[in-house]
Amino acid sequence: GENVEQHPSTLSVQEGDSAVIKCTYSDSASNYFPWYKQELGKRPQLIIDIRSNVGEKKDQRIAVTLNKTAKHFSLHITETQPEDSAVYFCAAQNTGGFKTIFGAGTRLFVKA
Amino acid sequence: NAGVTQTPKFRVLKTGQSMTLLCAQDMNHEYMYWYRQDPGMGLRLIHYSVGEGTTAKGEVPDGYNVSRLKKQNFLLGLESAAPSQTSVYFCASKGSSGRSQLEQYFGPGTRLTVT
Repeated sequence: GENVEQHPSTLSVQEGDSAVIKCTYSDSASNYFPWYKQELGKRPQLIIDIRSNVGEKKDQRIAVTLNKTAKHFSLHITETQPEDSAVYFCAAQNTGGFKTIFGAGTRLFVKA
Repeated sequence: NAGVTQTPKFRVLKTGQSMTLLCAQDMNHEYMYWYRQDPGMGLRLIHYSVGEGTTAKGEVPDGYNVSRLKKQNFLLGLESAAPSQTSVYFCASKGSSGRSQLEQYFGPGTRLTVT
């Protein structure tokens, strides 16, 4: 069945360093790839997304890249800050459908 | 707009008791979802609905039932609670057209403990 694999499950970085989280999807029909951030005790919230017709998208310190051929997409956070500490979920979906497949999540720790 | 709301926020049940979790959204979204999230784990889909009056099983449906009698509400029922159902439950909704068909909007979660 469809699935999304996410790595690593835990990531610890020093404040100011970069963090990279990688995901791989299986469904070739997926054409929309959102990333959600979940702070401790809070709900997941969308932070950035990318559609399949774009290879890269940037929003201030965060960026996403997509390699549709390899079915890989990644989240890059530069100049990490303590408030970036959270669980990050990648996901894949078909914009015409109702199902979103989530990765298992990456717990990011940013040490001050 | 309130977005997606969930009732209650916290609940403690004894094994064998029943309860209903209520999810409401005011964005006129077609699709609604119930997930559970266990400590240190990801989101697992319990049930979902693609429209009023329709429901379907997700990844982990056993022990739960759902109903979508009104478009804005999606109810999750536990008929006989078990300790394995201790979890945080998130409801989410998504539209079916335009930008609203992309992002899932999550409720604040319900923390359920079964003793």
